[in-house]
Amino acid sequence: GENVGLHLPTLSVQEGDNSIINCAYSNSASDYFIWYKQESGKGPQFIIDIRSNMDKRQGQRVTVLLNKTVKHLSLQIAATQPGDSAVYFCAWERDYKLSFGAGTTVTVRA
Amino acid sequence: KAGVTQTPRYLIKTRGQQVTLSCSPISGHRSVSWYQQTPGQGLQFLFEYFSETQRNKGNFPGRFSGRQFSNSRSEMNVSTLELGDSALYLCASSHSDADTQYFGPGTRLTVL
Repeated sequence: GENVGLHLPTLSVQEGDNSIINCAYSNSASDYFIWYKQESGKGPQFIIDIRSNMDKRQGQRVTVLLNKTVKHLSLQIAATQPGDSAVYFCAWERDYKLSFGAGTTVTVRA
Repeated sequence: KAGVTQTPRYLIKTRGQQVTLSCSPISGHRSVSWYQQTPGQGLQFLFEYFSETQRNKGNFPGRFSGRQFSNSRSEMNVSTLELGDSALYLCASSHSDADTQYFGPGTRLTVL
């Protein structure tokens, strides 16, 4: 099911279902937002980004939503697959640095 | 195009020693940033370099320093190591300002 707006440290999802990962960011001056995926033993991997002049952007099986009014980002993954199991971080850029959310560990159940 | 590379991948040091980590950015990228990742604090920004100039620095003690060379390669140094410095150190590069940062695999530093 959906956990609209709420950041959860962990998310368990059935293979084939849709996943929604939420993030609250803190810097209202940020104009650039990114979602990263980090698998065990690896560095963060770019998934999708969005700039502040947009509120939605779609990629392959992923959609990012941005609500600047409440400083909230979400990542939607369609038809979640076992390879989607990882930790997902949102990040926001300001003054040449990225700040990161706490991360959500996604586990895909077969 | 090759990704961001970091050397060494793993490092074990003892308290009081110093360490130098290296990062080679993606070809054509001029901005290099460093981050520390720990289970307790998550991902934290250390510093960012562009054309050999440090443009921003995170809230870390002066024991943490870095530099960038004319070929955009970067190094970071930690002196007088403490147990709390044990972490995954990540390097990221980007082409320009407010552009996507791509991460390397990281250097796992263990301080004993």
